[in-house]
Amino acid sequence: EAQVTQNPRYLITVTGKKLTVTCSQNMNHEYMSWYRQDPGLGLRQIYYSMNVEVTDKGDVPEGYKVSRKEKRNFPLILESPSPNQTSLYFCASSPGLAGGSDTQYFGPGTRLTVL
Amino acid sequence: LAKTTQPISMDSYEGQEVNITCSHNNIATNDYITWYQQFPSQGPRFIIQGYKTKVTNEVASLFIPADRKSSTLSLPRVSLSDTAVYYCLVGGVPYNFNKFYFGSGTKLNVKP
Repeated sequence: EAQVTQNPRYLITVTGKKLTVTCSQNMNHEYMSWYRQDPGLGLRQIYYSMNVEVTDKGDVPEGYKVSRKEKRNFPLILESPSPNQTSLYFCASSPGLAGGSDTQYFGPGTRLTVL
Repeated sequence: LAKTTQPISMDSYEGQEVNITCSHNNIATNDYITWYQQFPSQGPRFIIQGYKTKVTNEVASLFIPADRKSSTLSLPRVSLSDTAVYYCLVGGVPYNFNKFYFGSGTKLNVKP
């Protein structure tokens, strides 16, 4: 089944404790992206990747890191989480330029709470 | 990157046609218009995409006037299961394919 998976789905952590949220897609998509969703603010893009080893900042990149060493994986890293990063996070992938489509396929979401 | 403006919320009743309008005054010549649907605690899901005039699929229709400064998503005969947030985006393949601006969307509440 074509899908985007995220792990963990739920995470409660404490300020300053490094964490990684994994994202994987099995559709051979070039483009991958991370979003956060907060009440009243909608979906905001954190980082995106046009292809392997190519990443760039979205609208709200502060406090986050990403890497794209393989086409299928795009982990989101919070080196020192803070309470303002408590949010619902979505990973998405898309065929991209090579696939001729920008339709994004979203993962199920990761609900992160930073105490 | 062209930003969009949508109503924050709309109410409707089952069986009615719902039209959600999105304003995108700064749309570029090469931008497409895309709509997504999001249910609570789920990721958004693609509904429809168009460039001009009218596009229809099994779920919705998209109307785009000649000046392309706005677009209207039309949902025929809505049901309770259409209660969701609907997002309008502009941009995309092949010229503006990197950042995406979802905004806050329109929360559609379908009543019985």
